[in-house]
Amino acid sequence: KNEVEQSPQNLTAQEGEFITINCSYSVGISALHWLQQHPGGGIVSLFMLSSGKKKHGRLIATINIQEKHSSLHITASHPRDSAVYICAVEDSGGGADGLTFGKGTHLIIQP
Amino acid sequence: NAGVTQTPKFRILKIGQSMTLQCTQDMNHNYMYWYRQDPGMGLKLIYYSVGAGITDKGEVPNGYNVSRSTTEDFPLRLELAAPSQTSVYFCASSYPLIRGTEAFFGQGTRLTVV
Repeated sequence: KNEVEQSPQNLTAQEGEFITINCSYSVGISALHWLQQHPGGGIVSLFMLSSGKKKHGRLIATINIQEKHSSLHITASHPRDSAVYICAVEDSGGGADGLTFGKGTHLIIQP
Repeated sequence: NAGVTQTPKFRILKIGQSMTLQCTQDMNHNYMYWYRQDPGMGLKLIYYSVGAGITDKGEVPNGYNVSRSTTEDFPLRLELAAPSQTSVYFCASSYPLIRGTEAFFGQGTRLTVV
C-alpha cells in the first residue's frame, strides 16, 4: 500500500509570499491529485497529474515520477488561499479502488 | 450542475442508533466512494463501487454497509453507531481518463456519536 507524506504539516505566511507544499509517495502510481479543503467545507480538486507540470491561475503543480515527489506552488499568495491542501495518489492499478491520501497541509496566509 | 450531493450535513446520533448517509451524483460516473476523515489523519476509504450492483470494502469497512442499486446513488448505512464512528464523511465519484481519474467530492457529513 502506498504511503503518502506531506510537508510541512502547518504553514503560516504573509500575503504575497511564494508558497511550496511537498508530497512524496512510496510506490509507483498512475496519477496524483492535489485537493483543497476550506474550514468546515467540502473538498475541491485542484489538479490531477500523471507527469510534468500543470498551471491554473496562481497555482502550479509539478510531479517527478522517478523521484516519487510532487510540489504544489502558490504564487502571490492571498488570505483566501488559506485552507488545507491535500495530496492523494492513485495506485498504478488504476483509480477504481480509490485514492490514498496524505494528512494535509494547513496553510494560513496573513494579510 | 449539482455534482455530488450528500445529506445530511450534520447529525448527532446516540450510541446504538442507526442511520443512512445519502449520496447522489448527476454526472453518470461509474466509480463512487465513501471516505471518512478523522482529525490529523488522511481520508480513509470505507467502501467503493465501480458500478451499479457492485460494491467492495475499502480500508476501514467495519460497522458500515453500502448498496448501489443505481448509478446515481450510493448510500452508506451505520447499523449500530459507536463513538469511534464520530468523523466527517465524504462521498466522492470519479470517471477514468486516459491516465488517472477525475474526482469529485461532496460537501461532507459531520457525524457525532454520543
